[in-house]
Amino acid sequence: DAGVIQSPRHEVTEMGQEVTLRCKPISGHNSLFWYRQTMMRGLELLIYFNNNVPIDDSGMPEDRFSAKMPNASFSTLKIQPSEPRDSAVYFCASQRNQQGETQYFGPGTRLLVL
Amino acid sequence: GDSVTQMEGPVTLSEEAFLTINCTYTATGYPSLFWYVQYPGEGLQLLLKATKADDKGSNKGFEATYRKETTSFHLEKGSVQVSDSAVYFCALISGGYNKLIFGAGTRLAVHP
Repeated sequence: DAGVIQSPRHEVTEMGQEVTLRCKPISGHNSLFWYRQTMMRGLELLIYFNNNVPIDDSGMPEDRFSAKMPNASFSTLKIQPSEPRDSAVYFCASQRNQQGETQYFGPGTRLLVL
Repeated sequence: GDSVTQMEGPVTLSEEAFLTINCTYTATGYPSLFWYVQYPGEGLQLLLKATKADDKGSNKGFEATYRKETTSFHLEKGSVQVSDSAVYFCALISGGYNKLIFGAGTRLAVHP
């Protein structure tokens, strides 16, 4: 199995630009999570989907952030417009929807907004 | 709400030293408990887990026992190696949700 796949691995953009991060979960996993990791705030859950439906988006910082999961094998996290404070590593994770199952993390996208 | 508290780092050890990283939790119900490890420049990987009281999770020489009476899940390893240098996260899942609650992470540095 290829594991959780994220793209791009690195993104450098200028303030005000739109950024789209992509994630392909492990086949057969029906829960998908987006996290953000920074030195200041550690690991934060932004949003999670179950069977392609957003279940909890309380961690999404503001309206500039949006996430979609059009099908079971693809999700996007979009930031528009981006700001320097959005610079972080963004992780996607997936899991089978059963109690106690392991979440598998992707390698992350390192985002730098100048 | 549910929460995880783990010891602050960094923890600096010499190779072959004994490691303990403390983790305590607050949760309603009966959570499943996890230790994840993050090596430099990588995503988080599951290190071990325990799903009920008194279970012991183990992997790669690391162990942790689910202690309900002390609400703890301390990570231990008898002899650390330089390659164990990483950030370690304690986490729980509680109730009917899949939402992982993470501790702040503990950075471990092992020197030769």
